[in-house]
Amino acid sequence: ETGVTQTPRHLVMGMTNKKSLKCEQHLGHNAMYWYKQSAKKPLELMFVYNFKEQTENNSVPSRFSPECPNSSHLFLHLHTLQPEDSALYLCASSQEGQGNTEAFFGQGTRLTVV
Amino acid sequence: GQNIDQPTEMTATEGAIVQINCTYQTSGFNGLFWYQQHAGEAPTFLSYNVLDGLEETGRFSSFLSRSKGYSYLLLKELQMKDSASYLCAVLDSNYQLIWGAGTKLIIKP
Repeated sequence: ETGVTQTPRHLVMGMTNKKSLKCEQHLGHNAMYWYKQSAKKPLELMFVYNFKEQTENNSVPSRFSPECPNSSHLFLHLHTLQPEDSALYLCASSQEGQGNTEAFFGQGTRLTVV
Repeated sequence: GQNIDQPTEMTATEGAIVQINCTYQTSGFNGLFWYQQHAGEAPTFLSYNVLDGLEETGRFSSFLSRSKGYSYLLLKELQMKDSASYLCAVLDSNYQLIWGAGTKLIIKP
């Protein structure tokens, strides 16, 4: 248990579906992240929220839409995805402002787009 | 561009020692992390190096040479539960984590 919880753990969706991934952190951190992890590739940073403000959007397609209603919750809304979007989506949190910004990860959502 | 290189896969024997290397080229450097990730699980923090030298935590040690852009993770007295992927990540000048693709470590009896 890392203090970061993601739901659902597994998701299969069609290309015309709309779904949302949820992340919740119980660590009192002020920054939250969405990462995409594809097989044999480095973790790809998608979005960063710091104090609920989006500070990073790494050229992510608009079919991925993040939402951060408060510093403990983070959502990733999915719409009209493509098969190449199938991957493990990881949420992480950290306490920004410290030199050693260790990130704590959730267990991820394994997404399959069919 | 920024780049982190580590071997894709390594195999070692239970009870032995293995060294996983990581080389990096990044815009600035504010520390290097090693994470462990078991299949289907969250990456978990193993170590952080910001100064040159060796950091030891139990059976695991991590080494850093900033001048060479090089780090390694040393695992001693290998156990079957050490079978996992090991991720190297560098904190760049913007305090963004740049990740390697991970090294899958297979432990054989």
